[in-house]
Amino acid sequence: DVKVTQSSRYLVKRTGEKVFLECVQDMDHENMFWYRQDPGLGLRLIYFSYDVKMKEKGDIPEGYSVSREKKERFSLILESASTNQTSMYLCASSPYDRGAGELFFGEGSRLTVL
Amino acid sequence: AQTVTQSQPEMSVQEAETVTLSCTYDTSESDYYLFWYKQPPSRQMILVIRQEAYKQQNATENRFSVNFQKAAKSFSLKISDSQLGDAAMYFCAYSIWGAQKLVFGQGTRLTINP
Repeated sequence: DVKVTQSSRYLVKRTGEKVFLECVQDMDHENMFWYRQDPGLGLRLIYFSYDVKMKEKGDIPEGYSVSREKKERFSLILESASTNQTSMYLCASSPYDRGAGELFFGEGSRLTVL
Repeated sequence: AQTVTQSQPEMSVQEAETVTLSCTYDTSESDYYLFWYKQPPSRQMILVIRQEAYKQQNATENRFSVNFQKAAKSFSLKISDSQLGDAAMYFCAYSIWGAQKLVFGQGTRLTINP
């Protein structure tokens, strides 16, 4: 089975802290994604990567950056956390597909910024 | 920009009965994919069903089926013989052919009453 692992299920951080959310997938997928999930807003794409060292902005990239140094790992970075970044963060991966590949999700990281 | 709208924030159904979740989308593309994903409480999101826009036949997966109305840009999910394990958040999603990334709706929380 495909496994997408997010390093932390729950985090509590202070305003202004630098926050790293880590995601690892074990199926050699080309694509990796970071989504943010908020009630009433659904999932919104922050960043995605279709290859090592490649990244593209999603719909809400402001305040975030990403790193993909290895194919299996995709990190989301909050350079200076703010209270409006309190949310559930979902990592996903998918194989490259000429159409649209199925996304495989991690369990999510719930971040609270105080 | 492509948008996906789920107008029912919450739905409930009696166990063993049938329920339909609604989804509409907006796109000017002709080749695209539509998805329904399920997010059980505190568990990973998983793919329920997928529909290619070029296919006229509605997709089915066991008790799950869709009603795809391309002209109306409507994509509803029907769950037959509802079971307690069907309780979850359900997200409708859209992807342009080849885009690799998905746009999600706001979600519908489905409750199954025993």
